Amino acid sequence: EVQLVESGGGLVQPGGSLRLSCTASGFAFSRNDMHWVRLTAGRGLEWVSTIGAADDAYYLDSVEGRFTVSRENAKNSVSLQMNSLRVGDTAVYYCAKDVEGAFGIWGQGTVVTVSS
Amino acid sequence: QSALTQPASVSGSPGQSITISCTGTSSDVGRYKYVSWYQLHPGKAPKLILYYVTNRPSGVSDRFSGSKSGTTASLYISGLQTEDEADYYCSSYTSSNKWAFGGGTRLTVL
Repeated sequence: EVQLVESGGGLVQPGGSLRLSCTASGFAFSRNDMHWVRLTAGRGLEWVSTIGAADDAYYLDSVEGRFTVSRENAKNSVSLQMNSLRVGDTAVYYCAKDVEGAFGIWGQGTVVTVSS
Repeated sequence: QSALTQPASVSGSPGQSITISCTGTSSDVGRYKYVSWYQLHPGKAPKLILYYVTNRPSGVSDRFSGSKSGTTASLYISGLQTEDEADYYCSSYTSSNKWAFGGGTRLTVL
């Protein structure tokens, strides 16, 4: 069974940092593109970042330079390092496995709250 | 990145059919077939219901179907059921190696 499990969310002050992790099982992780998508109260679903099987990385404009995505194939995991966090980054963050250019399998999500 | 445009809400009665539109630009929906749709129930993770415009993942009801014409994609739901009441989002790959989502549509089954 394909499964994704996120961790690392929490409450952080504006300007702070968090590192989210997503552990995958049930598929050939190293061969798949992986995504981070967030669900915000005001903007709905929002794509955040993608890391390709070749380690190529792409970012939402508003997080470029603040967030860094990485993967560790030996551990079947993908991470999202989030620095200089803003109130607007408050969301449920999901990792998702790519399926033909779509977000095919989702984790259960991890909540990030940025507040003073 | 600009979000795709969806109606804020649609409604229908059980058994009826509804359509949700998703309008983009020539840089996303109009250029690529990587258009997908997601169903969100409160408190649950999003669920992929259509990908590559018309393809249904295994286990998704054939009451869900999709199409695309120019810069507008559409999600059709036939034979509405109460469990279809949810938020629906479209998404498209864009020419900037990024993805865009629509603002979401709340489906109410009356």
